[in-house]
Amino acid sequence: AQTVTQSQPEMSVQEAETVTLSCTYDTSENNYYLFWYKQPPSRQMILVIRQEAYKQQNATENRFSVNFQKAAKSFSLKISDSQLGDTAMYFCAFMKHETASKLTFGTGTRLQVTL
Amino acid sequence: EAQVTQNPRYLITVTGKKLTVTCSQNMNHEYMSWYRQDPGLGLRQIYYSMNVEVTDKGDVPEGYKVSRKEKRNFPLILESPSPNQTSLYFCASSYPPVDGGAYEQYFGPGTRLTVT
Repeated sequence: AQTVTQSQPEMSVQEAETVTLSCTYDTSENNYYLFWYKQPPSRQMILVIRQEAYKQQNATENRFSVNFQKAAKSFSLKISDSQLGDTAMYFCAFMKHETASKLTFGTGTRLQVTL
Repeated sequence: EAQVTQNPRYLITVTGKKLTVTCSQNMNHEYMSWYRQDPGLGLRQIYYSMNVEVTDKGDVPEGYKVSRKEKRNFPLILESPSPNQTSLYFCASSYPPVDGGAYEQYFGPGTRLTVT
């Protein structure tokens, strides 16, 4: 079974600064996908970024980028130029290639962006 | 607009009173899932369905039932709700991508259930 660990329950960052959220996972699979989801106070689950394990290049989406270290089973999210609207709960998630219907989530990191 | 809808959005009920949370998607997706979210535990999968009449248990199926009679609908049934089923519930759907990449899950808005 896969496990996903987010060791930072809460984090805080000042507006315009950069913050990195940590995620590690455990799996014996070689072909899988990793995701970061954002959950603002509205509770909606919003996909932030995804990474295919077979791709060595780190994924980027505007101000969001990941540092994917496959050997270390690490998948951190970097948010640059933080904005007040980034305040949310962030979940790291894992999906095996064969199980398209199942995401395994971490416990989440609550990020507060301050003025 | 492509979306996943859930009803009701909020529900307060009493122990033992059967309830159904509906989930519907308009994207013709084959795969659908139910998750529950609890503080400190993240989201955990309850049940999933790979197509009409094909369902299987997730990580926390006890106390729940599902059915998939139509492709677009995937209701979650609590036959005899208990207080430990108080949670935030999400329905999600997904479809095999044409480029062979990751299956993106589309989430509904969530249903806040309180069982007293």
